Amino acid sequence: QQQVKQSPQSLIVQKGGISIINCAYENTAFDYFPWYQQFPGKGPALLIAIRPDVSEKKEGRFTISFNKSAKQFSLHIMDSQPGDSATYFCAASTYSGGSNYKLTFGKGTLLTVNP
Amino acid sequence: DTGVSQDPRHKITKRGQNVTFRCDPISEHNRLYWYRQTLGQGPEFLTYFQNEAQLEKSRLLSDRFSAERPKGSFSTLEIQRTEQGDSAMYLCASSPGRDQYFGPGTRLLVL
Repeated sequence: QQQVKQSPQSLIVQKGGISIINCAYENTAFDYFPWYQQFPGKGPALLIAIRPDVSEKKEGRFTISFNKSAKQFSLHIMDSQPGDSATYFCAASTYSGGSNYKLTFGKGTLLTVNP
Repeated sequence: DTGVSQDPRHKITKRGQNVTFRCDPISEHNRLYWYRQTLGQGPEFLTYFQNEAQLEKSRLLSDRFSAERPKGSFSTLEIQRTEQGDSAMYLCASSPGRDQYFGPGTRLLVL
């Protein structure tokens, strides 16, 4: 059972455009939703994270929108640049005991930003 | 550089051999996680340490896998009698709270 569903699988955007990646979750106990950026051969890098008590969080060109009732959240990358070309993962976590907040990841979205 | 480090970065081994990976977390982080990532997939949780205590192991972690974190500092992940299905990227992450910071990973190829 896939607990975090991510779409699209791949996305091509022109430089300067807006990239939008969507995720949906099933477990209502999830209470922390980070996004990670991963370049080939590298580990995932934390971009931005949100908790369900807010509907939107913005950091620079990256914005998370959160819809608790629909159990959906999305990443918006404004003014997309070729350097943003990478794989993006959404994730979710809840408390699992012993201060354990293991992450459940989506399958990833390969973003290509054309110059 | 004060990020999470992992060693080796790449490992090629023959089926049936044992391998060991090391993770050095960010020094002030008491929480350490291991994940496994296969091609085209997101990372999957393997195991969790709080300080030196291993508090959770995923069902993905068969009895051929063992992890340790002596003295609550670095951690090791050992795979015994490797199988071709073990080929993957093994990622370590450390955390002071909710945010998890990943290392560069160890890419394992089992021939």
